[in-house]
Amino acid sequence: EIVMTQSPATLSVSPGERATLSCRASQSVSSNLAWYQQKPGQAPRLLIYGASTRATGMPARFSGSGSGTEFTLTISSLQSEDFAVYYCQQYNNWPPGTFGQGTKVEIK
Amino acid sequence: QVQLQESGPGLVKPSQTLSLTCSVSGASISRGGYYWSWIRQHPGKGLEWIGYIYYSGSTYYDPSLKSRVTISVDTSKNQFSLKLTSVTAADTAMYYCARDLGPLYDWGQGTLVTVSS
Repeated sequence: EIVMTQSPATLSVSPGERATLSCRASQSVSSNLAWYQQKPGQAPRLLIYGASTRATGMPARFSGSGSGTEFTLTISSLQSEDFAVYYCQQYNNWPPGTFGQGTKVEIK
Repeated sequence: QVQLQESGPGLVKPSQTLSLTCSVSGASISRGGYYWSWIRQHPGKGLEWIGYIYYSGSTYYDPSLKSRVTISVDTSKNQFSLKLTSVTAADTAMYYCARDLGPLYDWGQGTLVTVSS
């Protein structure tokens, strides 16, 4: 099973600043990587798929990059509604699709 | 717009069977093209994929749960269901259904299931 590792566990950022989240796969997943946003009390929501393609309706301040084993989610200028937990998921060796443990983006 | 809605008991006794249903609107399960999955999230923890079903009835279950899980589909009702047998407190979690093609495109709001006597 492919293990996904996210870092950091918690990221403290001020509104308007840039946030960079990392996700590493234990073996190559090509570009078959998705990112999800989960706000408290809500279901996760697809943010990015194919490592860099924004899902329908997702703001342009969210961008994804990487391939193989190293991936990055960047939020260019954090808005108040962006404070949430972000998960990466590989679907290269699918099923199953395995998730990272999440990165919590909190207000600094 | 595809919408999914989970339903089922919020409280299940230990050793009994957890049963949940996901009702889908805005998409037809029988049309194919997508898989229909169950994912769970233990309180304060990360996401755990349980398994999926295709409209044809073919299934895949995560190996860690395979011996206890059954996912079924009712295309006439545009629903799919989860059964998890012999539950323990470790199965207490939020259960989500989702439309799946690798990326999980659409999610239900989730339903909290507590295992307790």
